[in-house]
Amino acid sequence: GENVEQHPSTLSVQEGDSAVIKCTYSDSASNYFPWYKQELGKRPQLIIDIRSNVGEKKDQRIAVTLNKTAKHFSLHITETQPEDSAVYFCAALGRASKIIFGSGTRLSIRP
Amino acid sequence: DTAVSQTPKYLVTQMGNDKSIKCEQNLGHDTMYWYKQDSKKFLKIMFSYNNKELIINETVPNRFSPKSPDKAHLNLHINSLELGDSAVYFCASSQGATGSNQPQHFGDGTRLSIL
Repeated sequence: GENVEQHPSTLSVQEGDSAVIKCTYSDSASNYFPWYKQELGKRPQLIIDIRSNVGEKKDQRIAVTLNKTAKHFSLHITETQPEDSAVYFCAALGRASKIIFGSGTRLSIRP
Repeated sequence: DTAVSQTPKYLVTQMGNDKSIKCEQNLGHDTMYWYKQDSKKFLKIMFSYNNKELIINETVPNRFSPKSPDKAHLNLHINSLELGDSAVYFCASSQGATGSNQPQHFGDGTRLSIL
């Protein structure tokens, strides 16, 4: 069945440095790739998404890249700040019309 | 105003009991979902409804029964609760039909604990 793999599971970076989270998906028909941020005890919230007709999208300090040939996509956060600490989930919309989530990355920003 | 609201926020109950979780969205979305997030934070879809019609029904025990009286509401009833049902249950909604490439908006979750 469809699968989304996410790496790393935990990531610690110095405040001000960049963080990169990578995901691969199995369903070549996937055409929508959202990223969600979940703070401790809170709900997942969409931070950025990308559709299959573009290779990159940027929103201030956050960017997402998509490589459809290799079936992988990545989240890049630049100039990290303490409030970026959270669990981040990638996801892919597959042919079965359901969103498959990655297993999450716990990002910690060191002061 | 909360866009997707779930009640209750916390639910603590004994094994074997029956309980319900309610969800309402005021975004005018056509599709609603139930997700289960376990202790390892895995988010897994359980059901999706589009305009009151069941679209996705994952491999979920039939003790779980969703009900959608209208497109703004999707409730989840669970019979004969088991220890393994302990998790956070999230309701979500999105514009368009299930499978449309639109973002999902999540509720605040219901933390279910089975004693």
